Amino acid sequence: KAGVTQTPRYLIKTRGQQVTLSCSPISGHRSVSWYQQTPGQGLQFLFEYFSETQRNKGNFPGRFSGRQFSNSRSEMNVSTLELGDSALYLCASSRPGGLATSTDTQYFGPGTRLTVL
Amino acid sequence: AQSVTQPDIHITVSEGASLELRCNYSYGATPYLFWYVQSPGQGLQLLLKYFSGDTLVQGIKGFEAEFKRSQSSFNLRKPSVHWSDAAEYFCAVALPAYSGAGSYQLTFGKGTKLSVIP
Repeated sequence: KAGVTQTPRYLIKTRGQQVTLSCSPISGHRSVSWYQQTPGQGLQFLFEYFSETQRNKGNFPGRFSGRQFSNSRSEMNVSTLELGDSALYLCASSRPGGLATSTDTQYFGPGTRLTVL
Repeated sequence: AQSVTQPDIHITVSEGASLELRCNYSYGATPYLFWYVQSPGQGLQLLLKYFSGDTLVQGIKGFEAEFKRSQSSFNLRKPSVHWSDAAEYFCAVALPAYSGAGSYQLTFGKGTKLSVIP
């Protein structure tokens, strides 16, 4: 079956702009998590959505937000972009039990590379 | 706060040599433990995971990892490295973030970049 899809794959924005990234999870997966990857900070958890509700959030400013639709697709938005927001944004999906079962896992998409100029 | 430490930023091995990548975690209880691999420009692929039970875990691509509770470690090993193993490897722990709701978040180490000499 198809993997996690993220669009766009690459994006260039300027400071002060806003951006929306999209993630389509694996069919049947209802949990979607977002991570930011930078050379300095590494991989950091942004937030998780399940059944259109944010149920977990990392330590990021309010400029970072997200939502999930009824078909489990998710978007994340970053407003008032800063240079430090340049990163690879990864989306991961899992079934409702998520990582709680030994038979399941979290599948990652290829990421969206955001460059802020 | 929980943390994951991968002490080696960059490791270079010769093809055919054995490999061990180190990972230590800091947490009051035993979390779920994972190893992921990331090739340039790609997302993360799960190599193996530990939830409970047998402390030696087998994964894909010939990798294995051993959980040692006394050392809070989860080291990744491979007996014979192939040139295609060159990538960045991330150790991660998953902790329940929303009790009873099945919500977990991954906390990653900073990664170990593996280079393989032909």
